[in-house]
Amino acid sequence: GAGVSQSPSNKVTEKGKDVELRCDPISGHTALYWYRQSLGQGLEFLIYFQGNSAPDKSGLPSDRFSAERTGGSVSTLTIQRTQQEDSAVYLCASSLRASGNRNNEQFFGPGTRLTVL
Amino acid sequence: GDSVTQMEGPVTLSEEAFLTINCTYTATGYPSLFWYVQYPGEGLQLLLKATKADDKGSNKGFEATYRKETTSFHLEKGSVQVSDSAVYFCALRSNQAGTALIFGKGTTLSVSS
Repeated sequence: GAGVSQSPSNKVTEKGKDVELRCDPISGHTALYWYRQSLGQGLEFLIYFQGNSAPDKSGLPSDRFSAERTGGSVSTLTIQRTQQEDSAVYLCASSLRASGNRNNEQFFGPGTRLTVL
Repeated sequence: GDSVTQMEGPVTLSEEAFLTINCTYTATGYPSLFWYVQYPGEGLQLLLKATKADDKGSNKGFEATYRKETTSFHLEKGSVQVSDSAVYFCALRSNQAGTALIFGKGTTLSVSS
């Protein structure tokens, strides 16, 4: 595809509901990253995928957050029992590889704005 | 752990003014350094990068030099335009495999004509 796409672009939900956020990386990119952008916290890393496996989940804020990636492509970030503090913009990025190659740029999607009422 | 500190905004300038946004970092080893820009209503875009000490990244009239001795990567532009109004993020990435970007909190730049 032309770039990283994310859906939905906006999501409003009630506290306690579950939400699923989707990321379609650039075709052929093997590495995929999720970040969260919230007021006062800036941009925070959540989880990283290499292929379908997630070697680094260190940024997930709680066990209510999970993510999966299937077929080495689409990824879904799930937040269970949403809380108001989960309100943020969730950004996805992909890169060709996850190697230490210095030229491995991460390309970002437009984000999903999540509002928990 | 690794971290990035950048000057707090907002920064308000008139068109053609000189811009500096300060960024300093803390990291082990030799990270790569980046500036990302987020224009209103758009996603994050890589503006420029530098991968080793004394490298200068440049793009669209913006420049930043990787200064290991001062652990800094300040963003500069000699003459800003209204279209440069955006949020600017300084970031670093360790050169270990698969590491994520670590971002500063962002600086909002507003340029008026």
